[in-house]
Amino acid sequence: DIQMTQSPSTLSASVGDRVTITCRASQSISRWLAWYQQKPGKAPKLLIYKASTLESGVPSRFSGSGSGTEFTLTISSLQPDDFATYYCQQYDSFPWTFGQGTKVEIK
Amino acid sequence: QVQLQQSGPGLVKPSQILSLTCVIFGDSVSSNNAAWNWIRQSPSRGLEWLGRTYYRSKWYNDYAISVKSRININPDTSKNQFSLQLNSVTPEDTAVYFCVRDLGGSFDYWGQGTLVTVSS
Repeated sequence: DIQMTQSPSTLSASVGDRVTITCRASQSISRWLAWYQQKPGKAPKLLIYKASTLESGVPSRFSGSGSGTEFTLTISSLQPDDFATYYCQQYDSFPWTFGQGTKVEIK
Repeated sequence: QVQLQQSGPGLVKPSQILSLTCVIFGDSVSSNNAAWNWIRQSPSRGLEWLGRTYYRSKWYNDYAISVKSRININPDTSKNQFSLQLNSVTPEDTAVYFCVRDLGGSFDYWGQGTLVTVSS
């Protein structure tokens, strides 16, 4: 299985901060990577697919980059609604696997 | 707008069968573009993809190796739904289960989630 490792596990930030989350794959996954946001008691929400394509309706302050084994999710200016847990997911090969999550907390 | 509505019991006894159903609104289980997945989430295992069913002139399934000997995901075209059956459950199968659509590997529509507890 392809292992997905996110860093950091927890991130403390303030409204307006620029935030970057990293996701590393244990082998190359080309650009077959998605990012999700999850709030407590809710299903994950798709933010970005194919490493950098913004899902319809997702604010432009979210962006993704990377290819191969290293990827980043950036929030350009953190908003109150963005405090949540973020997951990466690879869909290069089965079984599709997720990172362990990065919790973005209020500083 | 696609909606997925899950149903099924929240408590299952060890060694019994876990069964969940997901009704699809706004799309078709027989779509030639979509696939229909089950994903679970627990504190110990995180988000875990279990498997999927999809139609491309005929029906196909993909399953995670970790559950392949115990799982069945079946479409029901008459009710536009799909189901999960997980056999011989143990407490380690306790999790929130989600039904999810994918259009090429990323998961764009999710059901509301069902907490299933395996306990006697």
